[in-house]
Amino acid sequence: SQTIHQWPATLVQPVGSPLSLECTVEGTSNPNLYWYRQAAGRGLQLLFYSVGIGQISSEVPQNLSASRPQDRQFILSSKKLLLSDSGFYLCAWRGWGYTFGSGTRLTVV
Amino acid sequence: AQKITQTQPGMFVQEKEAVTLDCTYDTSDQSYGLFWYKQPSSGEMIFLIYQGSYDEQNATEGRYSLNFQKARKSANLVISASQLGDSAMYFCAMREVNAGNNRKLIWGLGTSLAVNP
Repeated sequence: SQTIHQWPATLVQPVGSPLSLECTVEGTSNPNLYWYRQAAGRGLQLLFYSVGIGQISSEVPQNLSASRPQDRQFILSSKKLLLSDSGFYLCAWRGWGYTFGSGTRLTVV
Repeated sequence: AQKITQTQPGMFVQEKEAVTLDCTYDTSDQSYGLFWYKQPSSGEMIFLIYQGSYDEQNATEGRYSLNFQKARKSANLVISASQLGDSAMYFCAMREVNAGNNRKLIWGLGTSLAVNP
């Protein structure tokens, strides 16, 4: 069966520090992968999606970047975090439906 | 442009009663899919139910059913026999098929459901 792993679960980072969030999928190959951000009390905002290794599409210009170094690995990064980067980040994999990771709650202080 | 509207920011329901969460959508596509997800306070996004645009029957999954009215472009979620564990945010989403065949989800802003004992 397919599973999706996302870590860390929570993260508190100072402004200006770098960020790396990782998402991996098991049990499938060449999945479509997505990074979403959810601000407190709000809906989901699509940040990036990837249809294959090295293929990244950005939905919203911002302080973040994404990479897909391996087929089942999707990484969300930032060189210098801003306060506005705080939020709940969800990785998702598209199979028949969409399966989400457990999320990372990022607080930039 | 595709859009999902959830007009109920918050809803209350008594335990064991049924509740309907509203969702309307806007699309010019003939082929689309509609999803409902539950997000408890832990944050994980849990898939509940799916309705395809060509499905003639309303989707059902246990206590969840989707009241699909295609002409009105509505896809309301009905939860029967509410339980305390149903207290959560509920999101309606529509699958978009763009030119690149990457099927992105368009999300509503969600409805917060509180089940009272």
